Amino acid sequence: SQQGEEDPQALSIQEGENATMNCSYKTSINNLQWYRQNSGRGLVHLILIRSNEREKHSGRLRVTLDTSKKSSSLLITASRAADTASYFCATTSAGGFKTIFGAGTRLFVKA
Amino acid sequence: DTEVTQTPKHLVMGMTNKKSLKCEQHMGHRAMYWYKQKAKKPPELMFVYSYEKLSINESVPSRFSPECPNSSLLNLHLHALQPEDSALYLCASKGGVNLGNYEQYFGPGTRLTVT
Repeated sequence: SQQGEEDPQALSIQEGENATMNCSYKTSINNLQWYRQNSGRGLVHLILIRSNEREKHSGRLRVTLDTSKKSSSLLITASRAADTASYFCATTSAGGFKTIFGAGTRLFVKA
Repeated sequence: DTEVTQTPKHLVMGMTNKKSLKCEQHMGHRAMYWYKQKAKKPPELMFVYSYEKLSINESVPSRFSPECPNSSLLNLHLHALQPEDSALYLCASKGGVNLGNYEQYFGPGTRLTVT
């Protein structure tokens, strides 16, 4: 079964607006990662947050992690049409090998 | 070189064929992965190799047979597949002394169609 569940499943916004995606997971994790996937292509790693971190920034991306609620959020600020893609959270458990992906959020940014 | 390459990009095969997918990385990563992804779904883990040994097999049917000939190369041998096996097959690698706290690098995938 999937470790992570994401919401919303789909999100449509105007260019320049912020986009927020949420991820929940079920078991203890070593870290949580966010990936982007453009239509039918390979995944690109965006950001990794460790279980002892609460917030991390990378350019226009801000990720939070709440291990007590087993949830994470990804905020993309000042969105661009090029941000249109599917976004997945993924969790890695202690031991480090097994990475399980959430269902994903499909983001559409209108120019 | 931070690239994972996969060949072929597209593959069409009949149910009686035998084919192989190939994945290569030259980043010195010691963990390599195969995922299967259906349309509008997340990647599903199939196999993990760590230091060239099979570490995880997610109860994948035996018609999929992985192989790791060396630390840079990962193959997925396909035999007697079913139409429902049609999907995007993704390879990924991950490195570092502590394999746990590193991101995965993904290849572009092989789009497989079983007829």
